[in-house]
Amino acid sequence: QKEVEQNSGPLSVPEGAIASLNCTYSDRGSQSFFWYRQYSGKSPELIMSIYSNGDKEDGRFTAQLNKASQYVSLLIRDSQPSDSATYLCAVNPSGGSYIPTFGRGTSLIVHP
Amino acid sequence: GAVVSQHPSRVICKSGTSVKIECRSLDFQATTMFWYRQFPKQSLMLMATSNEGSKATYEQGVEKDKFLINHASLTLSTLTVTSAHPEDSSFYICSACSREGQETQYFGPGTRLLVL
Repeated sequence: QKEVEQNSGPLSVPEGAIASLNCTYSDRGSQSFFWYRQYSGKSPELIMSIYSNGDKEDGRFTAQLNKASQYVSLLIRDSQPSDSATYLCAVNPSGGSYIPTFGRGTSLIVHP
Repeated sequence: GAVVSQHPSRVICKSGTSVKIECRSLDFQATTMFWYRQFPKQSLMLMATSNEGSKATYEQGVEKDKFLINHASLTLSTLTVTSAHPEDSSFYICSACSREGQETQYFGPGTRLLVL
């Protein structure tokens, strides 16, 4: 059973702070990792993908991947109340399948 | 790019009726489309995977005769909930992968189904 684990939260941070969201996965051979944002009542929206160890930055978002430790994280700098949402981690399994395993998501609350 | 639409966005129907939900990739050809269901405050649950021109692959516990999936073209997949019952009320979301970027799923806006 390939698993993706996330702390359900809620993670509460003040406006302007850095929000750090973490995800661990069980399939050591996984190569593709994704972060989605889902606002309440809406469908998931792709924020970032990452395939190589290290950091990948896009605006206020930074994804970090460590395959040896089997974790992927998402940092949100200068958090805004509009960032309040559930963040889903998705991992494509090894073996060539494009059917990702989603974590349950972490609820982020950015308070003014 | 990579826009996926769904129609209708919201549907209310009587118990026993069938409801068809359309999922379209607007600016790319989707070799694979996925159908998910999400109950309130719960995680996404994959129902089935469909590839253009072939039968859908259903996840364990999902009744293929109740949830009919047709992926007739590279831009359109449909999900029909047959003989809907109140317990089928949920948020149904499709996603699609393109030929070029098969690793990445792009989600449609979802369809909220309420069965009375």
